[in-house]
Amino acid sequence: EAGVAQSPRYKIIEKRQSVAFWCNPISGHATLYWYQQILGQGPKLLIQFQNNGVVDDSQLPKDRFSAERLKGVDSTLKIQPAKLEDSAVYLCASSLWTEETQYFGPGTRLLVL
Amino acid sequence: ELKVEQNPLFLSMQEGKNYTIYCNYSTTSDRLYWYRQDPGKSLESLFVLLSNGAVKQEGRLMASLDTKARLSTLHITAAVHDLSATYFCAVDIRSNYQLIWGAGTKLIIKP
Repeated sequence: EAGVAQSPRYKIIEKRQSVAFWCNPISGHATLYWYQQILGQGPKLLIQFQNNGVVDDSQLPKDRFSAERLKGVDSTLKIQPAKLEDSAVYLCASSLWTEETQYFGPGTRLLVL
Repeated sequence: ELKVEQNPLFLSMQEGKNYTIYCNYSTTSDRLYWYRQDPGKSLESLFVLLSNGAVKQEGRLMASLDTKARLSTLHITAAVHDLSATYFCAVDIRSNYQLIWGAGTKLIIKP
């Protein structure tokens, strides 16, 4: 069974630029999560989708971050404009349903200069 | 405020020794996860503990859950170098099925 796919794996941008990340969850998984993991910390949930609907985005900085999952399968997370403090690993995870084990992708390492 | 606290945050130990990582949480939950993260890699699910008194074992790792004490432990028996990693616990907040994560315990096992 294929795992959660993410791209790109690494991205370096300058502050105020825009960046987008892509995630393809495990086939059949209804729930998709985007997390931000800052070095030395645990993951912080940014947004949770159930199929193509948003379950929770209370910790998403909506002035600069946006995410969509239009067809209920793959998802994109965008940052516009980026700040230095956005440097982190962005992890995508999926689960069969909301209360099931989450499976994580390899992550995208973002460095904002 | 919902909190998940792990201790220790850093642990260096010799091969062959036993040790325990603790995970305390501040809210009611009956579902707790343990994940492993290798440097530069993503998170790998180790255990899910679903009820009070639950115990799961895989190789040299054993996890347990005491929901009354709001405490989970991850016990390492006769540690080997391959277990070097960062271990996270995460608590399921039942009201919205979100996970609240600990800060992680970085484990280094020396030959």
